[in-house]
Amino acid sequence: IQLTQSPSFLSASVGDRVTVTCRASQDISNYLAWFQQKPGKAPKLLIYAASTLQTGVPSRFSGSGSGTEFTLTISSLQPEDFATYFCQQFNDYPFTFGPGTKVDLK
Amino acid sequence: QVQLQQWGAGLLKPSEALSLTCAVYGGSFSGYFWTWIRQPPGRGLEWIGDTNHAGRTKYNASLKGRVTISVDTSKNQFSLNLDSVTATDTGVFYCARGMSLSSLYNLGLPPSLDVSSAFDFWSQGTLVTVSS
Repeated sequence: IQLTQSPSFLSASVGDRVTVTCRASQDISNYLAWFQQKPGKAPKLLIYAASTLQTGVPSRFSGSGSGTEFTLTISSLQPEDFATYFCQQFNDYPFTFGPGTKVDLK
Repeated sequence: QVQLQQWGAGLLKPSEALSLTCAVYGGSFSGYFWTWIRQPPGRGLEWIGDTNHAGRTKYNASLKGRVTISVDTSKNQFSLNLDSVTATDTGVFYCARGMSLSSLYNLGLPPSLDVSSAFDFWSQGTLVTVSS
């Protein structure tokens, strides 16, 4: 199952609302997770089951979608949110990740 | 708090075997899927494979049979072996904990049918470089 993400790069300012899209090559129901990765660090789970916030993740992060199209939204971008975001499907093996969306400072 | 700590050789020559071990501290070892994921420099993430506490394994076919994942429940450890490495295997290797799909979605699956889902805990990663 192939995952694509758009955009690949996103320049934004603190306080902006940011949306990242992940599209799957086939229906994956809601078997999708979102991760945040900062340089030199391991990815951090933000959302699973497309819309369920992982414990400890700020409520400004939200996820939606099902089937083949999904979105990750950051309602008000904070300085610590500048990072790369990946989606991951667990509908079928082999699990696959999207190519990533890098969010940097405008 | 769950912690995953990994170790293994960071510099290999082409045709050698990569070997990494990951120890799990805290939490239960059963009921989860112990996973290896890699990331080539400056690129995205690739799922390598996983195992459960009973030793059931799943592998990414893209690695063409070069991968073996084993588990040692007496030590709460699992290991990755990747044979015949080339320069294209260079990257950061992570071990991670996969959550039970059955638990996540309240499916009530027997353990033998359960599979992994999202990865909630990760190691710090090990950079493995393959160079002659």
